[in-house]
Amino acid sequence: EPEVTQTPSHQVTQMGQEVILRCVPISNHLYFYWYRQILGQKVEFLVSFYNNEISEKSEIFDDQFSVERPDGSNFTLKIRSTKLEDSAMYFCASRIGASNGYTFGSGTRLTVV
Amino acid sequence: ILNVEQSPQSLHVQEGDSTNFTCSFPSSNFYALHWYRWETAKSPEALFVMTLNGDEKKKGRISATLNTKEGYSYLYIKGSQPEDSATYLCAPQETSGSRLTFGEGTQLTVNP
Repeated sequence: EPEVTQTPSHQVTQMGQEVILRCVPISNHLYFYWYRQILGQKVEFLVSFYNNEISEKSEIFDDQFSVERPDGSNFTLKIRSTKLEDSAMYFCASRIGASNGYTFGSGTRLTVV
Repeated sequence: ILNVEQSPQSLHVQEGDSTNFTCSFPSSNFYALHWYRWETAKSPEALFVMTLNGDEKKKGRISATLNTKEGYSYLYIKGSQPEDSATYLCAPQETSGSRLTFGEGTQLTVNP
């Protein structure tokens, strides 16, 4: 069964450093998303991406965050200058159509120290 | 930001028990309601996508109903098994292609 793959599975970074979280969505999916879950809290929406551009973003997704789909397969989330409060599990998801369920990746646990 | 409430927060049942839990969401600007099952150390897995008022969907022993007029959905598990232990998340969607907004989930533990 097709999968969404995320790398790395764990990342520890110093506060203020840049991180790039990588995702390979399912190849025929058209909609791509990043969500995160801070320990003990809800799964929060960050950004959605469709037709090679951001279609929606949350208040969390400020200038420190960016997304790219550079080569038609990878979908990356960059955090320019990490803060302690960015520590969370980050999930990538994709779906084939606007009303279908998401297929989630297995997540990247980001720890900012 | 949508207000999505799930209850109960957690539930412990014995193997063989049937159980149900609730998802409440704003009834205005409704497009679809998604249910996910999230096992520990795995990623959330899509169970159902429901769009029509009165809709009922079934997958094995798990079924869900939808009331869009009053803004709630029920998830039922018949004859719970230990492998049903997971967190069940609901997430309404307001328009075609828009984000899903997740509730906090109901954590189900099925004791053998």
